[in-house]
Amino acid sequence: DVKVTQSSRYLVKRTGEKVFLECVQDMDHENMFWYRQDPGLGLRLIYFSYDVKMKEKGDIPEGYSVSREKKERFSLILESASTNQTSMYLCASSLSGTGGRQPQHFGDGTRLSIL
Amino acid sequence: GDSVTQMEGPVTLSEEAFLTINCTYTATGYPSLFWYVQYPGEGLQLLLKATKADDKGSNKGFEATYRKETTSFHLEKGSVQVSDSAVYFCALSDQTGGGNKLTFGTGTQLKVEL
Repeated sequence: DVKVTQSSRYLVKRTGEKVFLECVQDMDHENMFWYRQDPGLGLRLIYFSYDVKMKEKGDIPEGYSVSREKKERFSLILESASTNQTSMYLCASSLSGTGGRQPQHFGDGTRLSIL
Repeated sequence: GDSVTQMEGPVTLSEEAFLTINCTYTATGYPSLFWYVQYPGEGLQLLLKATKADDKGSNKGFEATYRKETTSFHLEKGSVQVSDSAVYFCALSDQTGGGNKLTFGTGTQLKVEL
């Protein structure tokens, strides 16, 4: 079974702090993704990565950055946390392949509160 | 760009009732289509998928058929259980490149009561 592990289930930080969210997958997947989930808005893609050291902006990258130094690990960084970044953050991974047929596998999420 | 539209929730049903959650999409080309389920306090789990027109995905009694002519992928189950209470997301996969990006609907909450 694919395992995607997010480092924290709940996190509370203060405005202006630099925040790191970590994600590790154990299935040698090429692709990794970070989403945020907000009521009424569904899941929105922040950043994704096709390979080590590769990153692409998603739909809402502002205020975020990412790092992928190893294939199994994909980190989301909030450079200077703000209250509007309070949300549920979900990490996912998938195999590569044409046609978009490969499903994504999700972690359990990190509920981040910025005070 | 690509988009997915789901019926608004919450949907409240009695146990053993028939379930339909509507999903329609807009996309260029021929995307793959997915249903994911999110139980309280958890991440998303793949429920079923279909990769080409007229394909039927099925799992745990749930079914959905990829209808290209109506650009739809409605989720159905003949007899729901209390344990099916969750949020259901319809999604399509971008076919460009190998990135398998997903576009999600906003989710439909299902509540099943005894």
